[in-house]
Amino acid sequence: DIVMTQSPATLSVSPGERATFSCRASHDIGRNVAWYRQKPGQAPSLLIYDASTRATGIPARFSGSASGTEFTLTIISLQSEDFALYYCQQYFTWPPFTFGGGTKVEI
Amino acid sequence: QVQLVESGGGVVQPGGSLRLSCVASGFTFSRSDMYWVRQAPGKGLEWAASITFDETDKYYVDSVKGRFIISRDNSKNTLYLQMNSLRVDDTATYYCAKKGAAWGNWFDPWGQGTRVTVSS
Repeated sequence: DIVMTQSPATLSVSPGERATFSCRASHDIGRNVAWYRQKPGQAPSLLIYDASTRATGIPARFSGSASGTEFTLTIISLQSEDFALYYCQQYFTWPPFTFGGGTKVEI
Repeated sequence: QVQLVESGGGVVQPGGSLRLSCVASGFTFSRSDMYWVRQAPGKGLEWAASITFDETDKYYVDSVKGRFIISRDNSKNTLYLQMNSLRVDDTATYYCAKKGAAWGNWFDPWGQGTRVTVSS
């Protein structure tokens, strides 16, 4: 199975600042990575697919990048709704689809 | 707009059964692969099961194989998850999700989830 390792587990930032966190795959998965945001008490929602393509309606302050087996999500100018949990997911080799353990972005 | 609404969760004793449902609207359900993803309390996301649009193929995470059955009724725009021999570690919120695109197995959108508690 592909293991997705997210870091850090928790990231403390202030509103208006930039947040950057990563996800490392245990094997080459090309660019087959999606990122999701999960606000407290809500279901996850798609932010990014194919490592760097923003989903419909996602603002430009969200960007994804890839370098080898490392994938990065960057949020510039954090808004209040961005303080949430973020998960990466690989869909290169399945089953199983696998997720990272999550990064919590907090104030 | 695309909408997924789960139901069927509840409290069940270990060894018991539940059937979850997910009613879809706003897209051609019969053409879309579908998924169940679960999240234990305070934990991360775990893919549980997948089914192709025509039920040709079904896949499960190892921990539910032989106990859970994913199915669908395209005439009713409904996805199901029959959960048998439930264990305490099956306690989770269960989300249904749609395949994001024909060429990519990301999950979009997700339903609001239905909570399953397995406890004696």
